[in-house]
Amino acid sequence: EAQLVESGGGLVQPGRSLRLSCAASGFTFHDYAMHWVRQAPGKGLEVVASTSWNGEGIGYADSVKGRFTISRDNGQNSLYLQMNSLRVEDTAFYYCAKGSAYSKGYFDSWGQGTLVTVSS
Amino acid sequence: DIVMTQSPDSLAVSLGERATINCKSSQSVFYSSNNKNYLAWYQQKPGQPPKLLISWASTREAGVPDRFSGSGSGTDFTLTISSLQAEDVAVYFCQQYYSAPPCTFGQGTKLEIK
Repeated sequence: EAQLVESGGGLVQPGRSLRLSCAASGFTFHDYAMHWVRQAPGKGLEVVASTSWNGEGIGYADSVKGRFTISRDNGQNSLYLQMNSLRVEDTAFYYCAKGSAYSKGYFDSWGQGTLVTVSS
Repeated sequence: DIVMTQSPDSLAVSLGERATINCKSSQSVFYSSNNKNYLAWYQQKPGQPPKLLISWASTREAGVPDRFSGSGSGTDFTLTISSLQAEDVAVYFCQQYYSAPPCTFGQGTKLEIK
């Protein structure tokens, strides 16, 4: 069974940076696309960034394009999200999610999430 | 981007009654080459991450009770709970994964007990 554990969240001031990590286990990490999904408290789901199995097919939500960078280390079974120039509106729970396929696909496993709070 | 719109935003149903949630996409998510609709449904309970219920518009995940069913094709889809149980209280989201990355979710439908 797939397990995903996020880390790296916390309180950060506007304009600063934060790096989230997701440790994956229980499946062949390098065979699947991976995603970061965020959810502001009491709000809906937004796919922030996605990467294909080999890191070559990457996409971002318009709201984070140019500020966030998704990456993966298949040797370490890990997914990352580098978040720069953070804004108050980036405050949310950030979930790591496993794709169902090497590229496109639905999200069949989710981590418990890590909370990012951007505030002065 | 494909916009997903759910209706209603919230819904109150009596225990044992049918609950129906609709999802409409701004363009078709049907891929003719494999005859599949790239549409999934998720359930999110308070304090928990979303859980996949249905993929390919109508394929129930292992372990999901058979009172949950998905239907529809092209741009219009429905999640039906045939007989509402107390544990079904949650927010439900549809998602298209036809146009990706990144894919998009509906705004969510909050399901409560009447």
